Amino acid sequence: GAGVSQSPSNKVTEKGKDVELRCDPISGHTALYWYRQRLGQGLEFLIYFQGNSAPDKSGLPSDRFSAERTGESVSTLTIQRTQQEDSAVYLCASSPTPGQGARGYTFGSGTRLTVV
Amino acid sequence: AQSVTQLGSHVSVSEGALVLLRCNYSSSVPPYLFWYVQYPNQGLQLLLKYTSAATLVKGINGFEAEFKKSETSFHLTKPSAHMRDAAEYFCAVSSNTGNQFYFGTGTSLTVIP
Repeated sequence: GAGVSQSPSNKVTEKGKDVELRCDPISGHTALYWYRQRLGQGLEFLIYFQGNSAPDKSGLPSDRFSAERTGESVSTLTIQRTQQEDSAVYLCASSPTPGQGARGYTFGSGTRLTVV
Repeated sequence: AQSVTQLGSHVSVSEGALVLLRCNYSSSVPPYLFWYVQYPNQGLQLLLKYTSAATLVKGINGFEAEFKKSETSFHLTKPSAHMRDAAEYFCAVSSNTGNQFYFGTGTSLTVIP
């Protein structure tokens, strides 16, 4: 597609429920990143995919968080047994090659997750 | 409108020397300013951020940055470079209401032994 697409744009869920967040990167972009942004904070790195492998999962905050990527396309971030501290905007970014860093990033518009 | 300019796409310093990476911003509203570091094959990591509190901000790994409104600058410094500091550094600005980030083009830091 023309840009990075994330869905849903907003999600309100009850504490303890599971949620899935979806990211469609730009076609042909091999690198895909998930970030989290809490209100007033900077981006918090979660996970990086190169193709469908994840060389860097160091940012996943707990084992309730997991992510998958199908080939060089869609990625799904799953949060199990959501907690109130999971409330944040979850941002996805893709880039043509991993070495370009943020200068090559295209961000999606994010999913605003609210856990009540 | 917001934008960030990083002067110098490549900076080389000797180990133990001062690190100075420059960032100038433009923003029509009070900005949030950030410095991120990216090591090879990793995601961005937040070094430090300015959110209208103290103008001198201390971050991780011995880095700090000073917000100077009169100069519209937010330069990143570290008194003594270490080999592990070799990476790419990005300055970013965002508004205090949105999640849209505007990144600079990055500065690649090389540390010479």
